[in-house]
Amino acid sequence: ILNVEQSPQSLHVQEGDSTNFTCSFPSSNFYALHWYRWETAKSPEALFVMTLNGDEKKKGRISATLNTKEGYSYLYIKGSQPEDSATYLCAWYNNNDMRFGAGTRLTVKP
Amino acid sequence: DGGITQSPKYLFRKEGQNVTLSCEQNLNHDAMYWYRQDPGQGLRLIYYSQIVNDFQKGDIAEGYSVSREKKESFPLTVTSAQKNPTAFYLCATRDRGNQPQHFGDGTRLSIL
Repeated sequence: ILNVEQSPQSLHVQEGDSTNFTCSFPSSNFYALHWYRWETAKSPEALFVMTLNGDEKKKGRISATLNTKEGYSYLYIKGSQPEDSATYLCAWYNNNDMRFGAGTRLTVKP
Repeated sequence: DGGITQSPKYLFRKEGQNVTLSCEQNLNHDAMYWYRQDPGQGLRLIYYSQIVNDFQKGDIAEGYSVSREKKESFPLTVTSAQKNPTAFYLCATRDRGNQPQHFGDGTRLSIL
């Protein structure tokens, strides 16, 4: 069974806090890992596409790292803002299909 | 305006009825996908299609059927054999290579 696990399931932080969450995935047959941001009442939008072990990607205050050998990726948000509140999904891709994690639901309180 | 259009936004199914969810795209993407989301769970793959007139079962294909007669369209039929159809359904497309998926706004299906 190919499982993609995300932790924590949900997270509540105060505005200005930095936070991070984890995506664990099968380390074999790895092709790519995608991070998506899913705001309420909208459709998921891609944040990062990561392919190489050791990859680090950054977009504004959000960054991600990738370790394909041990099968995990971290997503970091620096100085969280209320508009960062969303569910963050990771998806493991093996060139044939994608498997999504259940997501981490982030709530940033003003 | 490029994108993915799913319709309807809300759908109600009667017992024993088949219903069809529409997914149309004008992104010219080859691959299209159907996912189901249940509360507290990730997106689970129902069916996907890499090219016209070809599609593959995902993890939870039982009780569903699809067709891919045109590149732009990938409708999903929820048949009466699907005993627990209440869920949120998302359609997605993907371009060639290592590109992320693009998603529609989803259809919420409920049982009457």
